[in-house]
Amino acid sequence: GENVEQHPSTLSVQEGDSAVIKCTYSDSASNYFPWYKQELGKGPQLIIDIRSNVGEKKDQRIAVTLNKTAKHFSLHITETQPEDSAVYFCAATYSGGGADGLTFGKGTHLIIQP
Amino acid sequence: ETGVTQTPRHLVMGMTNKKSLKCEQHLGHNAMYWYKQSAKKPLELMFVYSLEERVENNSVPSRFSPECPNSSHLFLHLHTLQPEDSALYLCASSQAKRGDEQYFGPGTRLTVT
Repeated sequence: GENVEQHPSTLSVQEGDSAVIKCTYSDSASNYFPWYKQELGKGPQLIIDIRSNVGEKKDQRIAVTLNKTAKHFSLHITETQPEDSAVYFCAATYSGGGADGLTFGKGTHLIIQP
Repeated sequence: ETGVTQTPRHLVMGMTNKKSLKCEQHLGHNAMYWYKQSAKKPLELMFVYSLEERVENNSVPSRFSPECPNSSHLFLHLHTLQPEDSALYLCASSQAKRGDEQYFGPGTRLTVT
């Protein structure tokens, strides 16, 4: 089955700086890679995703890159703000057109220092 | 109500009790999922339902019993749980045809005493 490793487990950055979270996956058949943000007391919220037919996707201050050969993908947050503080999870799955469960990384606690 | 809702939000139960968690999605999706979130561990997929049929059961102990009466509702029936079952139980939904873009509810925080 799929195995997803996520690093770092905790990341502290100054407000305004950039943050990068990295994940690797084991199953070369995986083709869908979402990123979730989880705030205290809430469920995970989908913030961006990427499919294996593209190498990069951007949405305002958030971008995700995918390297299929190396089997790793990364989340980039620029111009960080206090509201970006949360736990971020990467995930991977083979999206075959049915209902497919996600395999998650262990999460990164992102702390934005004022 | 919009999105995915879960009730109750918090539950404390003894090891001999029987309780049920409820999930409802208002997104018109036809696939629903149960995940378990424990401290220091990744979210673990428990069950997957597509078009009201169970399509995946990830070696979950029989003390957890899912039920999907229709595409909008999902239940998790609990009986004779163990303290190590204490966790946040999350429900999610998606369109079965696309098999992705899962949307999560707020979760039920379960404590087994």
